[in-house]
Amino acid sequence: EDQVTQSPEALRLQEGESSSLNCSYTVSGLRGLFWYRQDPGKGPEFLFTLYSAGEEKEKERLKATLTKKESFLHITAPKPEDSATYLCAVPGTGNQFYFGTGTSLTVIP
Amino acid sequence: DSGVTQTPKHLITATGQRVTLRCSPRSGDLSVYWYQQSLDQGLQFLIQYYNGEERAKGNILERFSAQQFPDLHSELNLSSLELGDSALYFCASSAASVWGTEAFFGQGTRLTVV
Repeated sequence: EDQVTQSPEALRLQEGESSSLNCSYTVSGLRGLFWYRQDPGKGPEFLFTLYSAGEEKEKERLKATLTKKESFLHITAPKPEDSATYLCAVPGTGNQFYFGTGTSLTVIP
Repeated sequence: DSGVTQTPKHLITATGQRVTLRCSPRSGDLSVYWYQQSLDQGLQFLIQYYNGEERAKGNILERFSAQQFPDLHSELNLSSLELGDSALYFCASSAASVWGTEAFFGQGTRLTVV
């Protein structure tokens, strides 16, 4: 069964304290792993797509990496404006697109 | 601004009623996806339309239906509403028939059933 699991559910960091978010997936024939950022009451905003194990992508303080079973979103020296829920998602069978339940990140000044 | 427009932003209605949510995709996008986001369940895929035709179906209840019109806007109809249908409903659009990096979400419709 296609599945996406994210951990931790919530994460509180001090400003400047680096950390990582995890997304593990179970899907046959990975056709990309997507990371989104979602602010409260808003629609998800696209961040990255990773297609193959070993691939890495960076954007400002965020870096996404991919292995055969999971992806990490590394946050380096976060700022309060990085506070949001981070979602990962994979295309599954039947053109469905499975989202994880997200990691709620709070960065404290 | 993603270019995907959803109306209304907020909707409050009573149990048993029927509502229609509207989505206008980005200019040129042929695919529209509908998602439901509840507090305890995350984003759940409901249905996809591509150029007027149903392309994929997720966990959409029989009380819910959708369609995509010739001008490519889409409507999600929710009927016989229950308290548990209260959620944020998002649509997303993309140019392709399959999900890709060019998929963008609207700001959502918050439905409250009382």
